[in-house]
Amino acid sequence: SQQGEEDPQALSIQEGENATMNCSYKTSINNLQWYRQNSGRGLVHLILIRSNEREKHSGRLRVTLDTSKKSSSLLITASRAADTASYFCATAAYPFGNEKLTFGTGTRLTIIP
Amino acid sequence: NAGVTQTPKFQVLKTGQSMTLQCAQDMNHNSMYWYRQDPGMGLRLIYYSASEGTTDKGEVPNGYNVSRLNKREFSLRLESAAPSQTSVYFCASSQPGLAGVMAKNIQYFGAGTRLSVL
Repeated sequence: SQQGEEDPQALSIQEGENATMNCSYKTSINNLQWYRQNSGRGLVHLILIRSNEREKHSGRLRVTLDTSKKSSSLLITASRAADTASYFCATAAYPFGNEKLTFGTGTRLTIIP
Repeated sequence: NAGVTQTPKFQVLKTGQSMTLQCAQDMNHNSMYWYRQDPGMGLRLIYYSASEGTTDKGEVPNGYNVSRLNKREFSLRLESAAPSQTSVYFCASSQPGLAGVMAKNIQYFGAGTRLSVL
């Protein structure tokens, strides 16, 4: 079964706008990660947030984590055409499972030039 | 560095045929994984190997076998392919390091193998 569920499933925005996508998960976690997948390619790691962190930034990316609601959000600011991709959250289960990640179903983001 | 290399990139099989998907990583990672990706399903773990010499089942292991040949290589075998195994297969590797909240279990992915079973 899927641990993470992303919302929305698909999102189209104008270039320059901000994009927000959400992830909900079911069990307690050690950390939550976001990955990007360009069409026809493998996944690429974007950012990791630990269960004892609430917010993290990396360039134009901002990730929040609310462990009480078992949810996370990924914000991409000032979007560019190159941000067009699918985005997946992935969780590492607590207390075990530091080797394994469980991936969500993804959000397909389209940036309109 | 090549990272994670998968071969072949594309494959078409007939029902009942067998094949082995190859994966190699050059990052000296202990852990390796095989996933399948189907439309609307995200990635599902087939098998993983936490370290050389060990393998464990993931979420969808039926119809597959794996071999951790050495630290670099982790192969996935379909003994008798079925149309339900039509999918994109990804190999990944990681070096989880510390356990628990300090784990840094970032995974690095290959480019994928697109498999069609007719």
